[in-house]
Amino acid sequence: AQKVTQAQTEISVVEKEDVTLDCVYETRDTTYYLFWYKQPPSGELVFLIRRNSFDEQNEISGRYSWNFQKSTSSFNFTITASQVVDSAVYFCALSDPTSGSARQLTFGSGTQLTVLP
Amino acid sequence: NAGVTQTPKFQVLKTGQSMTLQCAQDMNHNSMYWYRQDPGMGLRLIYYSASEGTTDKGEVPNGYNVSRLNKREFSLRLESAAPSQTSVYFCASSGGTLNQPQHFGDGTRLSIL
Repeated sequence: AQKVTQAQTEISVVEKEDVTLDCVYETRDTTYYLFWYKQPPSGELVFLIRRNSFDEQNEISGRYSWNFQKSTSSFNFTITASQVVDSAVYFCALSDPTSGSARQLTFGSGTQLTVLP
Repeated sequence: NAGVTQTPKFQVLKTGQSMTLQCAQDMNHNSMYWYRQDPGMGLRLIYYSASEGTTDKGEVPNGYNVSRLNKREFSLRLESAAPSQTSVYFCASSGGTLNQPQHFGDGTRLSIL
Protein backbone atom coordinates (compact mmCIF):
# COMPACT_ATOMS: atom_id res chain seq x y z
CA ALA A 1 0.00 0.00 0.00
CA GLN A 2 1.10 3.54 -0.59
CA LYS A 3 2.36 5.69 2.24
CA VAL A 4 3.75 9.19 2.66
CA THR A 5 5.92 10.12 5.63
CA GLN A 6 6.77 13.62 6.71
CA ALA A 7 8.94 12.99 9.71
CA GLN A 8 9.32 16.66 10.65
CA THR A 9 6.24 17.63 12.59
CA GLU A 10 7.34 21.21 13.28
CA ILE A 11 10.21 23.35 12.06
CA SER A 12 11.08 26.82 13.23
CA VAL A 13 13.57 29.07 11.45
CA VAL A 14 14.53 32.71 11.49
CA GLU A 15 13.70 34.80 8.47
CA LYS A 16 16.19 34.55 5.59
CA GLU A 17 17.34 31.09 6.62
CA ASP A 18 17.01 28.24 4.13
CA VAL A 19 14.80 25.35 5.17
CA THR A 20 14.15 21.90 3.72
CA LEU A 21 10.98 19.92 4.30
CA ASP A 22 11.37 16.17 3.92
CA CYS A 23 8.95 13.79 2.24
CA VAL A 24 9.47 10.04 1.88
CA TYR A 25 6.98 7.89 0.04
CA GLU A 26 6.24 4.22 -0.52
CA THR A 27 4.61 2.74 -3.58
CA ARG A 28 4.92 -0.46 -5.56
CA ASP A 29 4.12 1.22 -8.83
CA THR A 30 6.58 2.61 -11.33
CA THR A 31 4.15 5.28 -12.50
CA TYR A 32 3.03 7.73 -9.89
CA TYR A 33 2.74 11.43 -9.12
CA LEU A 34 3.86 13.44 -6.15
CA PHE A 35 2.39 16.73 -4.99
CA TRP A 36 3.09 19.46 -2.48
CA TYR A 37 0.38 21.58 -0.91
CA LYS A 38 0.59 24.61 1.37
CA GLN A 39 -1.92 25.40 4.11
CA PRO A 40 -1.37 28.94 5.46
CA PRO A 41 -2.87 30.07 8.77
CA SER A 42 -6.01 31.15 6.93
CA GLY A 43 -6.73 27.44 6.42
CA GLU A 44 -7.11 26.89 2.70
CA LEU A 45 -5.08 24.25 0.88
CA VAL A 46 -3.05 25.53 -2.03
CA PHE A 47 -1.52 23.28 -4.68
CA LEU A 48 2.18 24.07 -5.19
CA ILE A 49 3.75 21.50 -7.49
CA ARG A 50 3.33 18.14 -9.20
CA ARG A 51 6.08 15.75 -10.21
CA ASN A 52 5.78 12.47 -12.13
CA SER A 53 7.88 9.41 -11.42
CA PHE A 54 9.70 9.58 -14.75
CA ASP A 55 10.99 13.10 -14.29
CA GLU A 56 13.80 13.35 -11.78
CA GLN A 57 14.85 16.83 -12.75
CA ASN A 58 14.90 19.21 -9.86
CA GLU A 59 12.58 22.14 -10.16
CA ILE A 60 13.08 25.71 -9.06
CA SER A 61 10.40 28.34 -8.85
CA GLY A 62 11.60 31.56 -7.33
CA ARG A 63 12.63 30.83 -3.74
CA TYR A 64 11.12 27.34 -3.88
CA SER A 65 12.88 24.24 -5.16
CA TRP A 66 12.05 20.57 -5.17
CA ASN A 67 14.47 17.64 -5.14
CA PHE A 68 12.99 14.36 -6.36
CA GLN A 69 15.13 11.25 -5.90
CA LYS A 70 13.66 7.89 -6.83
CA SER A 71 16.65 6.04 -5.38
CA THR A 72 15.71 7.21 -1.89
CA SER A 73 11.94 7.59 -2.54
CA SER A 74 12.12 11.20 -1.49
CA PHE A 75 10.59 14.42 -2.75
CA ASN A 76 12.00 17.20 -0.61
CA PHE A 77 11.01 20.84 -0.68
CA THR A 78 13.45 23.68 0.00
CA ILE A 79 12.62 27.30 0.67
CA THR A 80 15.55 29.64 0.17
CA ALA A 81 15.75 32.87 2.15
CA SER A 82 12.55 32.10 4.05
CA GLN A 83 10.03 34.81 4.78
CA VAL A 84 7.37 35.15 7.44
CA VAL A 85 4.71 34.61 4.77
CA ASP A 86 6.09 31.12 4.23
CA SER A 87 4.77 30.12 7.65
CA ALA A 88 2.27 27.37 6.97
CA VAL A 89 1.65 23.66 7.14
CA TYR A 90 3.07 21.88 4.12
CA PHE A 91 1.70 18.56 2.91
CA CYS A 92 3.27 16.05 0.59
CA ALA A 93 0.93 13.69 -1.27
CA LEU A 94 1.12 10.68 -3.59
CA SER A 95 -1.12 9.40 -6.36
CA ASP A 96 -0.51 6.01 -7.95
CA PRO A 97 -2.55 3.48 -9.96
CA THR A 98 -3.63 1.65 -6.81
CA SER A 99 -5.12 4.81 -5.38
CA GLY A 100 -8.60 3.95 -6.55
CA SER A 101 -11.06 4.89 -9.25
CA ALA A 102 -10.98 8.57 -8.37
CA ARG A 103 -7.20 8.72 -8.09
CA GLN A 104 -7.29 9.53 -4.42
CA LEU A 105 -4.29 11.20 -2.88
CA THR A 106 -2.40 9.74 0.03
CA PHE A 107 -1.27 12.62 2.22
CA GLY A 108 1.56 12.87 4.69
CA SER A 109 0.74 14.22 8.12
CA GLY A 110 2.19 17.62 7.29
CA THR A 111 5.04 19.80 8.52
CA GLN A 112 4.29 23.00 10.40
CA LEU A 113 6.83 25.62 9.32
CA THR A 114 7.17 28.75 11.41
CA VAL A 115 9.37 31.55 10.12
CA LEU A 116 10.27 34.04 12.81
CA PRO A 117 11.02 37.67 12.01
CA ASN B 1 -13.12 32.08 -10.61
CA ALA B 2 -14.85 30.34 -7.70
CA GLY B 3 -13.24 26.89 -7.98
CA VAL B 4 -14.57 24.78 -5.10
CA THR B 5 -17.16 26.38 -2.83
CA GLN B 6 -18.12 24.95 0.54
CA THR B 7 -20.95 26.02 2.80
CA PRO B 8 -21.18 26.75 5.63
CA LYS B 9 -17.77 27.96 6.78
CA PHE B 10 -18.53 27.43 10.46
CA GLN B 11 -21.14 25.41 12.31
CA VAL B 12 -21.83 24.41 15.88
CA LEU B 13 -24.09 21.44 16.53
CA LYS B 14 -25.34 19.60 19.54
CA THR B 15 -24.76 15.88 19.86
CA GLY B 16 -27.41 13.99 17.93
CA GLN B 17 -28.28 16.77 15.53
CA SER B 18 -27.96 16.28 11.80
CA MET B 19 -26.64 18.52 9.11
CA THR B 20 -25.43 18.57 5.53
CA LEU B 21 -22.25 20.18 4.29
CA GLN B 22 -22.53 21.45 0.76
CA CYS B 23 -19.84 21.50 -1.89
CA ALA B 24 -19.92 22.73 -5.48
CA GLN B 25 -17.22 23.03 -8.12
CA ASP B 26 -17.25 24.94 -11.37
CA MET B 27 -14.21 23.35 -13.04
CA ASN B 28 -16.13 20.55 -14.80
CA HIS B 29 -14.20 18.00 -12.76
CA ASN B 30 -15.24 14.37 -12.73
CA SER B 31 -14.05 13.45 -9.26
CA MET B 32 -14.94 14.93 -5.91
CA TYR B 33 -13.79 14.17 -2.38
CA TRP B 34 -14.56 14.85 1.26
CA TYR B 35 -11.76 14.97 3.83
CA ARG B 36 -11.55 15.70 7.49
CA GLN B 37 -8.53 17.31 9.08
CA ASP B 38 -7.69 16.77 12.71
CA PRO B 39 -4.61 18.05 14.56
CA GLY B 40 -1.57 15.89 13.93
CA MET B 41 -3.41 13.54 11.59
CA GLY B 42 -3.22 15.28 8.26
CA LEU B 43 -6.09 14.83 5.84
CA ARG B 44 -8.18 11.71 5.96
CA LEU B 45 -10.52 10.75 3.16
CA ILE B 46 -14.12 10.23 4.21
CA TYR B 47 -15.87 9.54 0.90
CA TYR B 48 -15.19 10.16 -2.72
CA SER B 49 -17.01 10.18 -6.02
CA ALA B 50 -15.08 9.13 -9.10
CA SER B 51 -17.79 10.41 -11.40
CA GLU B 52 -21.37 11.56 -11.39
CA GLY B 53 -23.59 8.81 -10.05
CA THR B 54 -20.91 6.95 -8.10
CA THR B 55 -19.69 7.23 -4.51
CA ASP B 56 -17.28 5.14 -2.48
CA LYS B 57 -16.01 4.95 1.05
CA GLY B 58 -12.65 6.33 1.98
CA GLU B 59 -10.55 5.78 5.07
CA VAL B 60 -13.01 7.06 7.70
CA PRO B 61 -16.61 6.78 6.41
CA ASN B 62 -18.41 5.78 9.61
CA GLY B 63 -21.03 8.27 10.71
CA TYR B 64 -21.25 9.99 7.32
CA ASN B 65 -23.23 9.73 4.12
CA VAL B 66 -22.72 11.48 0.81
CA SER B 67 -24.69 12.37 -2.28
CA ARG B 68 -23.30 13.24 -5.67
CA LEU B 69 -26.25 15.33 -6.74
CA ASN B 70 -24.87 16.12 -10.20
CA LYS B 71 -21.46 16.71 -11.71
CA ARG B 72 -21.02 19.97 -9.82
CA GLU B 73 -22.28 19.12 -6.35
CA PHE B 74 -21.19 16.65 -3.69
CA SER B 75 -22.74 16.87 -0.23
CA LEU B 76 -21.70 15.29 3.07
CA ARG B 77 -24.30 14.46 5.69
CA LEU B 78 -23.93 13.79 9.38
CA GLU B 79 -27.09 11.96 10.45
CA SER B 80 -26.47 12.01 14.21
CA ALA B 81 -23.51 14.18 15.08
CA ALA B 82 -21.04 13.03 17.72
CA PRO B 83 -18.28 15.00 19.48
CA SER B 84 -15.70 12.82 17.70
CA GLN B 85 -16.83 14.41 14.45
CA THR B 86 -15.59 17.82 15.55
CA SER B 87 -13.13 18.66 12.81
CA VAL B 88 -12.37 20.79 9.80
CA TYR B 89 -13.95 19.36 6.67
CA PHE B 90 -12.58 19.93 3.20
CA CYS B 91 -14.17 19.25 -0.13
CA ALA B 92 -11.95 18.81 -3.18
CA SER B 93 -12.30 18.08 -6.86
CA SER B 94 -10.05 16.92 -9.67
CA GLY B 95 -10.17 15.72 -13.23
CA GLY B 96 -9.78 12.21 -11.87
CA THR B 97 -6.62 11.17 -13.69
CA LEU B 98 -3.37 10.23 -12.04
CA ASN B 99 -1.56 13.46 -12.84
CA GLN B 100 -4.22 15.95 -11.90
CA PRO B 101 -4.00 17.74 -8.58
CA GLN B 102 -6.97 18.11 -6.33
CA HIS B 103 -8.35 21.58 -5.79
CA PHE B 104 -9.74 22.32 -2.36
CA GLY B 105 -12.48 24.44 -0.92
CA ASP B 106 -11.81 26.72 2.02
CA GLY B 107 -13.08 24.25 4.57
CA THR B 108 -15.91 23.99 7.09
CA ARG B 109 -15.05 24.23 10.77
CA LEU B 110 -17.54 22.01 12.60
CA SER B 111 -17.86 21.81 16.37
CA ILE B 112 -20.13 19.31 18.06
CA LEU B 113 -20.96 19.88 21.69
